[in-house]
Amino acid sequence: AQSVTQLDSHVSVSEGTPVLLRCNYSSSYSPSLFWYVQHPNKGLQLLLKYTSAATLVKGINGFEAEFKKSETSFHLTKPSAHMSDAAEYFCVVSWNSGNTPLVFGKGTRLSVIA
Amino acid sequence: DAGVIQSPRHEVTEMGQEVTLRCKPISGHDYLFWYRQTMMRGLELLIYFNNNVPIDDSGMPEDRFSAKMPNASFSTLKIQPSEPRDSAVYFCASRTDRGDTEAFFGQGTRLTVV
Repeated sequence: AQSVTQLDSHVSVSEGTPVLLRCNYSSSYSPSLFWYVQHPNKGLQLLLKYTSAATLVKGINGFEAEFKKSETSFHLTKPSAHMSDAAEYFCVVSWNSGNTPLVFGKGTRLSVIA
Repeated sequence: DAGVIQSPRHEVTEMGQEVTLRCKPISGHDYLFWYRQTMMRGLELLIYFNNNVPIDDSGMPEDRFSAKMPNASFSTLKIQPSEPRDSAVYFCASRTDRGDTEAFFGQGTRLTVV
């Protein structure tokens, strides 16, 4: 079955320290992978996406993610957290085959401490 | 394009009343998704359409919920009768039929059933 697992439901970091949000997927096909961010009381905004080009993908606000096929992972990182990064982050996988074109992870809530 | 447009942004209704949420997808997009988000259950896929045809409605919680897409530019999600446990933020999203493209989300409708 196709699935996405976000390994941490909540991550807390200090301002200025690195951020790591983990995502693993299961797939029999080559996926497209996305990270979305949702700030409190807001809609979902695309941070970045991987679509079989470069395995290291850069997104908005200094975030990046690396696709590792051997580990079936697509972890999201940022070198230095900012207070404005506090939000909910969703890892999303898409397949061209199968019955469900989008599969969401359960989300990781990022807290940034001053 | 103005993006995915949802209306209303906020809806407060009394238990037992009918509620209709509306969505206008991005022109040219083939897929339309309806999601529900609550604190307890997170982001849930309710139903999605491909070329105006419902493909998977297994996420619709019960028969009180129904969704239609009469044409490529309009979809509705109806709850009849509404109950307090239906209170949530409902998101609509659309996407092309290419698996490597992201879904674009509307700003959501915050529904409160009292």
